Amino acid sequence: DTEVTQTPKHLVMGMTNKKSLKCEQHMGHRAMYWYKQKAKKPPELMFVYSYEKLSINESVPSRFSPECPNSSLLNLHLHALQPEDSALYLCASSRSQGADGYTFGSGTRLTVV
Amino acid sequence: AQKVTQAQTEISVVEKEDVTLDCVYETRDTTYYLFWYKQPPSGELVFLIRRNSFDEQNEISGRYSWNFQKSTSSFNFTITASQVVDSAVYFCALSGGAAGNKLTFGGGTRVLVKP
Repeated sequence: DTEVTQTPKHLVMGMTNKKSLKCEQHMGHRAMYWYKQKAKKPPELMFVYSYEKLSINESVPSRFSPECPNSSLLNLHLHALQPEDSALYLCASSRSQGADGYTFGSGTRLTVV
Repeated sequence: AQKVTQAQTEISVVEKEDVTLDCVYETRDTTYYLFWYKQPPSGELVFLIRRNSFDEQNEISGRYSWNFQKSTSSFNFTITASQVVDSAVYFCALSGGAAGNKLTFGGGTRVLVKP
């Protein structure tokens, strides 16, 4: 299995809702990432988990809460989002240092209304 | 801090023409890794190539080729005999060194191949 699977593919949520994005990989990768991509912009790093521990938080607002339950799963919990948070959320994984490359999922297109 | 610049925001070509995408990077590290990714309209980032800073050998893979020049901090990408399926946004990216496994992307170049 050489894929990163993200669910759901599309999500529409209200500003008072709580929802979660899920990401799964079975490649034995020990680093997992969340990226946010706005239209016509490059992906921007949000969080990095290394060996199930949060190693990088790029000053992301607390309304985004990551969780890594085990080495194969990565969640992003969403609460009280704003319309400007609407974007494509990409999950990626890599071997511990990323030197061998990063595998990306197809993303979740989030719309906040 | 690491930085990647893709000066071309959009390139339009007619099918079968060659197209070259420029990528210039900045880093103070001696060990680093360069990547190219393709992002079709579906959104998934597709890995194309990885190069480490010690390997300046150019590479060809089918219609794709890459020219890595440390002297000019450039890692350019050429698509030969372009096809409509090559239409996508292409990102150059950099990781390694002090940044560890943080991947820094350039702004991307949108390639439109017309039939």
